Amino acid sequence: GAGVSQSPSNKVTEKGKDVELRCDPISGHTALYWYRQSLGQGLEFLIYFQGNSAPDKSGLPSDRFSAERTGGSVSTLTIQRTQQEDSAVYLCASSLERRSEQYFGPGTRLTVT
Amino acid sequence: AQSVTQLGSHVSVSEGALVLLRCNYSSSVPPYLFWYVQYPNQGLQLLLKYTTGATLVKGINGFEAEFKKSETSFHLTKPSAHMSDAAEYFCAVRDSSNTGKLIFGQGTTLQVKP
Repeated sequence: GAGVSQSPSNKVTEKGKDVELRCDPISGHTALYWYRQSLGQGLEFLIYFQGNSAPDKSGLPSDRFSAERTGGSVSTLTIQRTQQEDSAVYLCASSLERRSEQYFGPGTRLTVT
Repeated sequence: AQSVTQLGSHVSVSEGALVLLRCNYSSSVPPYLFWYVQYPNQGLQLLLKYTTGATLVKGINGFEAEFKKSETSFHLTKPSAHMSDAAEYFCAVRDSSNTGKLIFGQGTTLQVKP
């Protein structure tokens, strides 16, 4: 069956612009996670969704970062006024429920110039 | 708070040699531990996991890991390296909160020489 998909696969943006990253989880998966993979920080948790609500946003690095999930499915991570330190690979993962195996998408590579 | 430490950011082995990737964890509760592999420009793929029960866990592609509580370790091994094993490997522990989020180590890049 279809896995987790993310779009775009690559995004180059100018400093100060806003970007939206999309995640399509596996159908029926109620839990969705965003992680960020960067050279300096490794793999870090950003936010967790259960259904459409986000009970854990503790990993969002600043108020420039926000995310939503609609219909218990697609999620969008938005970064406003991008900075060079936002350059990273953003990974999305979904699982059947919060304690199940997480399946990862291929990621979106964001480059801020 | 939980944490994971992977010893060695780069490991190089010859094809056919033993692969040993080290992982130590810190956890205040019985840990759920994972090893993931990441091939270039791809997402993470689960290799194996330890939840409860048998401490020697077998995974895909001939990998296995042993949970040693006394040493707080979960090292990944494979008896004979193959060229296709070259990738980045991440050890992770599930957070003790109710979210299921994962806390990752810094990763180890495995190079396999012919």
